[in-house]
Amino acid sequence: TQLLEQSPQFLSIQEGENLTVYCNSSSVFSSLQWYRQEPGEGPVLLVTVVTGGEVKKLKRLTFQFGDARKDSSLHITAAQPGDTGLYLCACDKDSSYKLIFGSGTRLLVRP
Amino acid sequence: DTEVTQTPKHLVMGMTNKKSLKCEQHMGHRAMYWYKQKAKKPPELMFVYSYEKLSINESVPSRFSPECPNSSLLNLHLHALQPEDSALYLCASSHNQGYEQYFGPGTRLTVT
Repeated sequence: TQLLEQSPQFLSIQEGENLTVYCNSSSVFSSLQWYRQEPGEGPVLLVTVVTGGEVKKLKRLTFQFGDARKDSSLHITAAQPGDTGLYLCACDKDSSYKLIFGSGTRLLVRP
Repeated sequence: DTEVTQTPKHLVMGMTNKKSLKCEQHMGHRAMYWYKQKAKKPPELMFVYSYEKLSINESVPSRFSPECPNSSLLNLHLHALQPEDSALYLCASSHNQGYEQYFGPGTRLTVT
């Protein structure tokens, strides 16, 4: 059983559309991170959320941490082809060195 | 400088070969990691070094041998690999445990 479940697994949308990606768990986390990975490259850290209910914005990306710190969402406004990639949520389990990744959401933004 | 570098970018090796992957960071991070990533899957943790000491080995087969010569360098020595070991190998570093890891571009390994 995956500790972090992401949905949807795959999303293909037209440029200019909005979308939301979800990251859910039955466990409570002290913090949660979102990464984006482009083909053939390593994941790039986008944001870290720490406080329940926290909302962070990064240009057209809005990240939210659930009040109970068990889930998170990533909303992209007016998606662009450059947003194409694999979106991964991750948490440091038990505040150890082990970063646990979610199952991933593969996003394709068509021009 | 927030860069983690990895060499080589691509590697093709036979099952009897010995090769090494290299990773370097100059951010002063004291934790370094090796991950394996198969196509369309998230990265899977292999090893963690903390202050140049191996702190986590995720039951990785002995044909993978990590080494941390100093706080900036991390190597992964490969020997007698199997075709199923073909994957993207990612190195990462962080200032503190688990938190906000910075990844290198990876080494695409193909075992023939």
